[in-house]
Amino acid sequence: QKEVEQDPGPLSVPEGAIVSLNCTYSNSAFQYFMWYRQYSRKGPELLMYTYSSGNKEDGRFTAQVDKSSKYISLFIRDSQPSDSATYLCAMSAGGGNQFYFGTGTSLTVIP
Amino acid sequence: DTEVTQTPKHLVMGMTNKKSLKCEQHMGHRAMYWYKQKAKKPPELMFVYSYEKLSINESVPSRFSPECPNSSLLNLHLHALQPEDSALYLCASSSTSGALGDEQFFGPGTRLTVL
Repeated sequence: QKEVEQDPGPLSVPEGAIVSLNCTYSNSAFQYFMWYRQYSRKGPELLMYTYSSGNKEDGRFTAQVDKSSKYISLFIRDSQPSDSATYLCAMSAGGGNQFYFGTGTSLTVIP
Repeated sequence: DTEVTQTPKHLVMGMTNKKSLKCEQHMGHRAMYWYKQKAKKPPELMFVYSYEKLSINESVPSRFSPECPNSSLLNLHLHALQPEDSALYLCASSSTSGALGDEQFFGPGTRLTVL
């Protein structure tokens, strides 16, 4: 079983839609959760960083962590064509432990 | 400044060539990383430097040789690569000393093609 599971998509939505991206994980020691956006042929860009459970909002983006279900989500409101990219979740137990990426979900927002 | 820079952006090399990839950050971060990313795959960790010392080598072949001349710079020396080494090579940095749970900031990557 992989440490982190993420649906690779591809996901295609109309402009203005709410997008939900999800990852599940198996290691209950994970405490640090990140979402990265990666445009084609570019490096990953950090979008959201969350410690432990709860919600975090930044503009149109909301990150949710449910440690009891080992499930994290990224919501994108009012999606824009410029949101078209691959979204990678990443997580770690911290303290010098391994940093695990999901496989990435490819998102296309259609104008 | 939350920027990690990498040079060159693109590199094409033959299997007998020697080349180097360079990475620089000015955020005062003390941990720096090299990742390899193949198409449609997540980044794979190669090396971690913590306070300019190599702290993690993920069983990377010796044809890849990392170097950290100072706290702002990270190099990856390449020699006798194989075509399957063609990939996007990403550099990242984080503030703490190799505590991999801390947020990492990535550079734009060097796209390497080995002929």
